[in-house]
Amino acid sequence: NAGVTQTPKFQVLKTGQSMTLQCAQDMNHNSMYWYRQDPGMGLRLIYYSASEGTTDKGEVPNGYNVSRLNKREFSLRLESAAPSQTSVYFCASTGTGGGFSNQPQHFGDGTRLSIL
Amino acid sequence: QKEVEQNSGPLSVPEGAIASLNCTYSDRGSQSFFWYRQYSGKSPELIMSIYSNGDKEDGRFTAQLNKASQYVSLLIRDSQPSDSATYLCAVNMGAGGTSYGKLTFGQGTILTVHP
Repeated sequence: NAGVTQTPKFQVLKTGQSMTLQCAQDMNHNSMYWYRQDPGMGLRLIYYSASEGTTDKGEVPNGYNVSRLNKREFSLRLESAAPSQTSVYFCASTGTGGGFSNQPQHFGDGTRLSIL
Repeated sequence: QKEVEQNSGPLSVPEGAIASLNCTYSDRGSQSFFWYRQYSGKSPELIMSIYSNGDKEDGRFTAQLNKASQYVSLLIRDSQPSDSATYLCAVNMGAGGTSYGKLTFGQGTILTVHP
């Protein structure tokens, strides 16, 4: 009954370091998303993957890259971390078909990332 | 720019009262609407979905949708201290739902229920 699993849960990086956040879902969902959440800013979409093999930019993509490894896994990479990327990162997934969905998104527990 | 707006609060209500949370959205073609609850330090948890005009009830929660006014609300009856959380309104703004499931979130309303 895992749902959406994110690793790691916490991470501290130094400016300029790189890292990859991992996300996997076991609900056979087509679409997956990466958000960041900052105080007073709500959830902002970084990148999404409508289906396996496709990715697209969201509202705040600068400084990030993503990979949809297979239907289950969607990773987020910070190539050169900056203090402005200190945030809580959430992965989510939902079922879609042909671009259409009226289903809610299901969220992972989040990764709390601090960049010094 | 497509937007979802909520009063950030904090909204404080006494235990046992009705809490009313409001949300407006900018895209008239929006089809699907969701309320998520987020406890401090936790991830968003879906509590209500609504797709048609009118009211939808689930236990102590009632979601209300008025597409003509582009307004969705959440009522929490018999509020409990355990309801204290941030409530996020989310809207699927794709016309006819063709948005690959993307949601636009409001900033959230902080609700505090005091004994």
